[in-house]
Amino acid sequence: GENVGLHLPTLSVQEGDNSIINCAYSNSASDYFIWYKQESGKGPQFIIDIRSNMDKRQGQRVTVLLNKTVKHLSLQIAATQPGDSAVYFCAENRGPKAAGNKLTFGGGTRVLVKP
Amino acid sequence: GAGVSQSPSNKVTEKGKDVELRCDPISGHTALYWYRQSLGQGLEFLIYFQGNSAPDKSGLPSDRFSAERTGGSVSTLTIQRTQQEDSAVYLCASSRSGVAGGFMGGEQYFGPGTRLTVT
Repeated sequence: GENVGLHLPTLSVQEGDNSIINCAYSNSASDYFIWYKQESGKGPQFIIDIRSNMDKRQGQRVTVLLNKTVKHLSLQIAATQPGDSAVYFCAENRGPKAAGNKLTFGGGTRVLVKP
Repeated sequence: GAGVSQSPSNKVTEKGKDVELRCDPISGHTALYWYRQSLGQGLEFLIYFQGNSAPDKSGLPSDRFSAERTGGSVSTLTIQRTQQEDSAVYLCASSRSGVAGGFMGGEQYFGPGTRLTVT
């Protein structure tokens, strides 16, 4: 899906620098969080996830940090590349496990990588 | 391997007409989700199917919206008497299980979406 968003916050980053994308959530009962990347005309693509019993998880060039005290989630991208240009969404699972895995998405942050 | 596919990729319809959107999940995935993404917005949950259980319809915005999943595989989202505010990208996702937690098989894989425009 296309994300031409007049109100999307935008992060401009120089190629090779690190990017940090932030997300606040409101439901203290949320126990599972995910970051998705969405390129223009495509569906969201899973990047990394984290459970509420963790405060940090690392993947390839990405790290997710979870601060439950202030209900804050961040995604760090190391050595940002032009292919990282996209809209990034955080998502949380708010319901109990019995309610399934439906996700509540944040509004998204557009990342623009400058060569 | 084949991912989630959706059809049509684009649909333009007149206000008041009914539309059907199709989703083919990844083979073997038991859970299927529909989301809606309006212009400049995040994704809004619509409905969730898990195996043979009754679907979770809590996100459907009105009774004009319905969905079914036949044989535990293909799903169709139907919007009756479409309105202009229904214009959005409709995204389908599937996961191996319906349990929250990607490392428990709950990671959701999204299709490319269907862009619906109601004129």
